[in-house]
Amino acid sequence: AQSVSQHNHHVILSEAASLELGCNYSYGGTVNLFWYVQYPGQHLQLLLKYFSGDPLVKGIKGFEAEFIKSKFSFNLRKPSVQWSDTAEYFCAANGASGTYKYIFGTGTRLKVLA
Amino acid sequence: GAGVSQSPSNKVTEKGKDVELRCDPISGHTALYWYRQSLGQGLEFLIYFQGNSAPDKSGLPSDRFSAERTGGSVSTLTIQRTQQEDSAVYLCASSREAGTYEQYFGPGTRLTVT
Repeated sequence: AQSVSQHNHHVILSEAASLELGCNYSYGGTVNLFWYVQYPGQHLQLLLKYFSGDPLVKGIKGFEAEFIKSKFSFNLRKPSVQWSDTAEYFCAANGASGTYKYIFGTGTRLKVLA
Repeated sequence: GAGVSQSPSNKVTEKGKDVELRCDPISGHTALYWYRQSLGQGLEFLIYFQGNSAPDKSGLPSDRFSAERTGGSVSTLTIQRTQQEDSAVYLCASSREAGTYEQYFGPGTRLTVT
C-alpha cells in the first residue's frame, strides 16, 4: 500500500540549530515528492518539490531536501533554523503516472526557541 | 488573484444531520482536492477531480461521503447522517493540473458533530 511516514512528530530546537526532518515513502513506480508547511494560523503552503532531475532540491526560506531513491527517503533540511520556522511540516507523495492523489505524512510539529 | 475559499469556516451540527461544505478553487485550476485533517492524523486524502475526468473517490471513508464539482469550478462535499468521528477540519486544495503542480490550500472548514 502507498504510504508516507514521518517519524519525528515533535521537534524542539534552539535558534541557529540545524534541522533534519525525516520522510520515507512506500510507492510503486515513479513518485513525485513534496514538503508543505503550515505556519500558525495560516494555510498549508508548498516548501519544495521533487519530480525529476537533481535529487537535491532547494525551496523557499533556505530549506532543501534530498531524494535518495535507494532509501525511499526525502528528508527536509535547513542548516540554521529561525524562530519564524516554528510550524507544522508535512511530507507528501503522488504517483507520476496514473492517479495523482496525494498521500500525506502525519506531520512534524517544529518549535524553535528564541 | 483570489486564493481558494471555503465555506463555512466553522460548522457545528448534531449527530445524524447532513452537512454540505463548499470549496471555490482558484480560477483556471483544473484539479481540485478534498482532504480531512484530524488531530494527530495528518491529511487524509478524500477525493480529487481533474478536469472532466471521472473523480478519484478512493479516499472517501464511507458511502455517507460524496462530492461533486459543477462546471469544473465550485465543489461541494456532502456528509450524510454525520457521526462524531466525522469531526475534523476539511481542507480543499486546487492546482493548475493534477501531478507536479503546486496545490493551493484553502483555510478549511472545521466541522464539529455533537
